[in-house]
Amino acid sequence: EAGVAQSPRYKIIEKRQSVAFWCNPISGHATLYWYQQILGQGPKLLIQFQNNGVVDDSQLPKDRFSAERLKGVDSTLKIQPAKLEDSAVYLCASSLRSGGGSSYEQYFGPGTRLTVT
Amino acid sequence: AQKVTQAQTEISVVEKEDVTLDCVYETRDTTYYLFWYKQPPSGELVFLIRRNSFDEQNEISGRYSWNFQKSTSSFNFTITASQVVDSAVYFCALSEPGANSKLTFGKGITLSVRP
Repeated sequence: EAGVAQSPRYKIIEKRQSVAFWCNPISGHATLYWYQQILGQGPKLLIQFQNNGVVDDSQLPKDRFSAERLKGVDSTLKIQPAKLEDSAVYLCASSLRSGGGSSYEQYFGPGTRLTVT
Repeated sequence: AQKVTQAQTEISVVEKEDVTLDCVYETRDTTYYLFWYKQPPSGELVFLIRRNSFDEQNEISGRYSWNFQKSTSSFNFTITASQVVDSAVYFCALSEPGANSKLTFGKGITLSVRP
């Protein structure tokens, strides 16, 4: 079974530029997550999708970050314009589903390491 | 609000030593889930275990074991006879059941196993 795929693996941009990340979850996984992991810290949830609907985007800086999951499969996360403090690893994860009184394990992709200069 | 504390930041051991990674959590929920993930240098988070709050039975999987104690809100992870390949950052995480089952992570523990 293929894992969660992400691209690109690395990206270097200047501040105020825009950038987009792509994620393809494990086949059949209804729930998709984007996390931000700043160096030396644990991942922090940015946005959670259930199929193509947003479940939680409370920690997404909506003035500069946006995400979509068209057709309930692939997802893209965009930053426009980028700031220095956006330098981090952006992790995509998927799980079979969420809800139903349980919490399913999330499977993570390799991440995209973003450096903003 | 949920919180996970991993007080240890870095641990260094010599191969074949046993090592315990501590995790303390806070939640107001009576039903919750605890996880451990491993993050090797490649960067990908690898799922190790999930435990629900109603199951306090300790678990052993090969060289790995987990000690869940509700009375002290702890979910500690022990690696027996550590190996160089165990070198990684280990994260403890907490989630609630329900539609919003986001993971709240600790800051992670960097484990270095020296040959």
